Amino acid sequence: GNSVTQMEGPVTLSEEAFLTINCTYTATGYPSLFWYVQYPGEGLQLLLKATKADDKGSNKGFEATYRKETTSFHLEKGSVQVSDSAVYFCALPNAGNMLTFGGGTRLMVKP
Amino acid sequence: KAGVTQTPRYLIKTRGQQVTLSCSPISGHRSVSWYQQTPGQGLQFLFEYFSETQRNKGNFPGRFSGRQFSNSRSEMNVSTLELGDSALYLCASSLRRGRHDEYSTDTQYFGPGTRLTVL
Repeated sequence: GNSVTQMEGPVTLSEEAFLTINCTYTATGYPSLFWYVQYPGEGLQLLLKATKADDKGSNKGFEATYRKETTSFHLEKGSVQVSDSAVYFCALPNAGNMLTFGGGTRLMVKP
Repeated sequence: KAGVTQTPRYLIKTRGQQVTLSCSPISGHRSVSWYQQTPGQGLQFLFEYFSETQRNKGNFPGRFSGRQFSNSRSEMNVSTLELGDSALYLCASSLRRGRHDEYSTDTQYFGPGTRLTVL
């Protein structure tokens, strides 16, 4: 089945720094790709998604581009804020309505 | 529109007991999926219910079961609890329209989770 690998954390940045969280996938075709975010004590929230190659998903200043050549969907943000501190998960579909998630990357932003 | 709700938010049980968790999906959503989140194993898919039928199941023992009611609300049950069942249990709802395979799926909306502690 499809699988996804993302960089381990934690990632610690100062406020207004540039963020990149790497995500690569393994799949037989070109699945939809997702980034979810989990704030402390909460469930997962969909951050952005892309449904086909070269699509760019964006939301709240975050962006990720679906790159089939490198099988990647890296998450980026130009200027992080303390409020962005959370755990970020890359995900893709498998059989049925099932999502397979990466291991999660914890981001800590210091003022 | 109200989001996905899960009850209870926190549970403490002892080994050998059983537990039932509840999930109410977003109004109009007919699919409910359950995931287990632990520090060691991460997020793992348990099962999905759609139209009161289990449609997909993850690699968990038979102690984990679920059901869905006609109003799309879902419950999951864990019998004979073990220490390793301590986890955050998340449910997600979706419309379940269109393709659902290894390439595409509906956007899933997650609830806040139920934190289960087994002592």
